[in-house]
Amino acid sequence: ETGVTQTPRHLVMGMTNKKSLKCEQHLGHNAMYWYKQSAKKPLELMFVYSLEERVENNSVPSRFSPECPNSSHLFLHLHTLQPEDSALYLCASSQGSIAKQFFGPGTRLTVL
Amino acid sequence: SQQGEEDPQALSIQEGENATMNCSYKTSINNLQWYRQNSGRGLVHLILIRSNEREKHSGRLRVTLDTSKKSSSLLITASRAADTASYFCATDYGGFKTIFGAGTRLFVKA
Repeated sequence: ETGVTQTPRHLVMGMTNKKSLKCEQHLGHNAMYWYKQSAKKPLELMFVYSLEERVENNSVPSRFSPECPNSSHLFLHLHTLQPEDSALYLCASSQGSIAKQFFGPGTRLTVL
Repeated sequence: SQQGEEDPQALSIQEGENATMNCSYKTSINNLQWYRQNSGRGLVHLILIRSNEREKHSGRLRVTLDTSKKSSSLLITASRAADTASYFCATDYGGFKTIFGAGTRLFVKA
């Protein structure tokens, strides 16, 4: 987990707030991922960036907006979220597409 | 759905016993991976087995893959209380398409 860091670790926000989640990887990987993990549901892939280009977007609502300014950093911008968006948001990185992924510790998001 | 499905959903065993978890999937894969997650934390990669491999070992872990049955199993031998966690299989279809199952929750009683 120390190779991929996420901030903040916990976030509580109202439905009208705008906030951002940050992920940083120190492993020299060329791909980064955002996942959503809700209670009693499988891990859901949200976005994938490879070489700073978005290569996967799994029909995620537009209130989630990813940004990948370079190969080491990934952001998830949040605005006008709904209570059902409350979940653990996990960032991961990998070297290439067919490789093991290294996960960060996650951001526990609560939307009031 | 391409999603892998783990079985059982939950497993409770005594320390020292072996734990076996199974994963089934529906379409051809490049590889299959097993991950572990402690409560509310990130996932940790355990082992990757390629589609042309049948068995892999790593310490107390043994993974098998049967592509004809589209299934895999994870065996943890001589379990310890510290093995208590959720275990996920992830099926890799290439092109950054990795699909995680719902997981097996393992509880090892000391």
